[in-house]
Amino acid sequence: DIQMTQSPSILSASVGDRVIITCRASQSIGTWLAWYQQKPGKAPKFLIYKASNLESGVPLRFSGSGSGTEFTLTIGSLHPDDFATYYCQQYNSSPYTFGQGTKLEIK
Amino acid sequence: EVQLVESGGGLVQPGESLRLSCAASGFSLSSYDMNWVRQAPGKGLEWVSYISYSGTTRDYADSFKGRFTISRDNAKNSLFLQMNSLRAEDTALYYCATSAAAGTGYWGQGTLVTVSS
Repeated sequence: DIQMTQSPSILSASVGDRVIITCRASQSIGTWLAWYQQKPGKAPKFLIYKASNLESGVPLRFSGSGSGTEFTLTIGSLHPDDFATYYCQQYNSSPYTFGQGTKLEIK
Repeated sequence: EVQLVESGGGLVQPGESLRLSCAASGFSLSSYDMNWVRQAPGKGLEWVSYISYSGTTRDYADSFKGRFTISRDNAKNSLFLQMNSLRAEDTALYYCATSAAAGTGYWGQGTLVTVSS
């Protein structure tokens, strides 16, 4: 099974900051990676697919990059609405594993 | 409006069964590969099962093989998850979702399954 490891697990930041969340795969997954945002009590929201493609309607301050085993989610300038937990998921091969999550909290 | 609505969750005893349903509206489920994903209270997301748009390919995480069965009825725009031999550790919110490979991520709001004696 492919293990997905996100870092950091918790990230403290301020409105306006640029933040980067990293997701590492235990073996190459090409660009078959998605990112999700989840707020408490809500379903995950799909942000990015195929490592760098923004879902329709997602603000342009979000971007994704990477291939192979290392990927990043960047938020260019944090808005108050961005404080949430973020997950990566590989869909290269079954089981389609998620990272453990990165909680983005207000500093 | 695009919507996925899960139902069928509830409180069951260990060893019992439940059948979850996921009804799609505002789009045709038959165009999408689908997944079930679960989230235990206070924990992260866990992929459970996958089914191709036609229903011909199905897959499960190891923890669920032999206990859970995914199916779909495209004519009724619906997805299902039959869960047998439920355990306390199956307690979670169960989501249906379109596959990320489609480049579109529709998720339901989830249905809560509680396994307890």
